[in-house]
Amino acid sequence: QSALTQPRSVSGSPGQSVTISCTGTRSDVGGYNYVSWYQQHPGKAPKLMIYDVSKRPSGVPDRFSGSKSGNTASLTISGLQAEDEADYYCCSYAGNYYVFGTGTKVTVL
Amino acid sequence: QVQLQESGPGLVKPSETLSLTCAVSGYSISSNYCWGWIRQPPGKGLEWIGSICHSGSTYYNPSLKSRVTISVDTYRNQFSLKLTSVTAADTAVYFCARPLSGHGDYDYWGQGTLVTVSS
Repeated sequence: QSALTQPRSVSGSPGQSVTISCTGTRSDVGGYNYVSWYQQHPGKAPKLMIYDVSKRPSGVPDRFSGSKSGNTASLTISGLQAEDEADYYCCSYAGNYYVFGTGTKVTVL
Repeated sequence: QVQLQESGPGLVKPSETLSLTCAVSGYSISSNYCWGWIRQPPGKGLEWIGSICHSGSTYYNPSLKSRVTISVDTYRNQFSLKLTSVTAADTAVYFCARPLSGHGDYDYWGQGTLVTVSS
């Protein structure tokens, strides 16, 4: 039931790429291909950016991509833009319930 | 267009029960999906509370299971959250949400409602 582990912060300049990791266990991230990623701006509800590890909902730019290896999932933002500055959370199915990550603040320098 | 709206008291006393309702418009909650509750303490991360499916099945976060009940009112097209024996640690913004396909991929969210636990 512990939160998935994410780095507290990552940063990059406009146009660069950043990758956020999300580390769990074989009981959650490693056991299922049901990892999603959310973007949250201050005072707003989270927005779904990636689901089922690597699928993008309609309307989400293809600059956002997801992957998974073992117990660690990753979100990559390519061609970083100013509006990408936000908090990002991963979420994984853990067998009849879901667990969120600790959250990562992305700063655009 | 699917819309969700949370409502309920913004202030609850310690040891009492927190009760919130999520009114859904634009979609019948009895048609499909497992509708969820997620919360976020001020300045902290997201925590999944639980969900209720169109079938009536419920699923809860193990760490909250003993205190949480989620129910549905199909007539009013809304679902509700009850959290008993609250403490200051339950102070949070509470969101209701609907998944895209059904595996924690919530694509429709309410705006969230702040519930403060204080005497």
